[in-house]
Amino acid sequence: KQEVTQIPAALSVPEGENLVLNCSFTDSAIYNLQWFRQDPGKGLTSLLLIQSSQREQTSGRLNASLDKSSGRSTLYIAASQPGDSATYLCAVRSTGTASKLTFGTGTRLQVTL
Amino acid sequence: NAGVTQTPKFRVLKTGQSMTLLCAQDMNHEYMYWYRQDPGMGLRLIHYSVGEGTTAKGEVPDGYNVSRLKKQNFLLGLESAAPSQTSVYFCASRFWTKETQYFGPGTRLLVL
Repeated sequence: KQEVTQIPAALSVPEGENLVLNCSFTDSAIYNLQWFRQDPGKGLTSLLLIQSSQREQTSGRLNASLDKSSGRSTLYIAASQPGDSATYLCAVRSTGTASKLTFGTGTRLQVTL
Repeated sequence: NAGVTQTPKFRVLKTGQSMTLLCAQDMNHEYMYWYRQDPGMGLRLIHYSVGEGTTAKGEVPDGYNVSRLKKQNFLLGLESAAPSQTSVYFCASRFWTKETQYFGPGTRLLVL
């Protein structure tokens, strides 16, 4: 059974810092991995999706990497801003599962002034 | 486009009562999903649908039923609510050819 873990559970950084969020998964037979953002009381917004054949994806100040063999992904946020404060979730779609995503519990990020 | 909308936003039920949560999307997506989110746990898939008239069980389907009579709507029913079903429920949808799921704002349900 696929399990997804995100460490740390919470992180506080001053504005302008570069930071890395971690995601690990137990079964390397994945189809893709996605990073989501969730603001308090809101739904999830997809940030980046990495196919199993890819090593990384970039969008603006965000860069996600994938090491399938070691079961790890990182989300790199450059030059953090207070508006980046949110909970970041990673989710994997395992091979053989038509639609099912397995989510981590998230990292709650606070960027302070 | 409104995207994915959920009705109601918040509801309080007594144990044993029934209710239906409505999810609607205006993006012509084929796939729709119902998740629940509980503190300390990741989102868990309850049921999903790959098209009008079809439904399938997810990870935690017990105590819930679903229907997809129209492509744009996905209903989640609780026949006899239990305190263990206190949670935040999210609906999501996507095109069958695209992996990105679009989420609704959630329904907060409290069962007393």
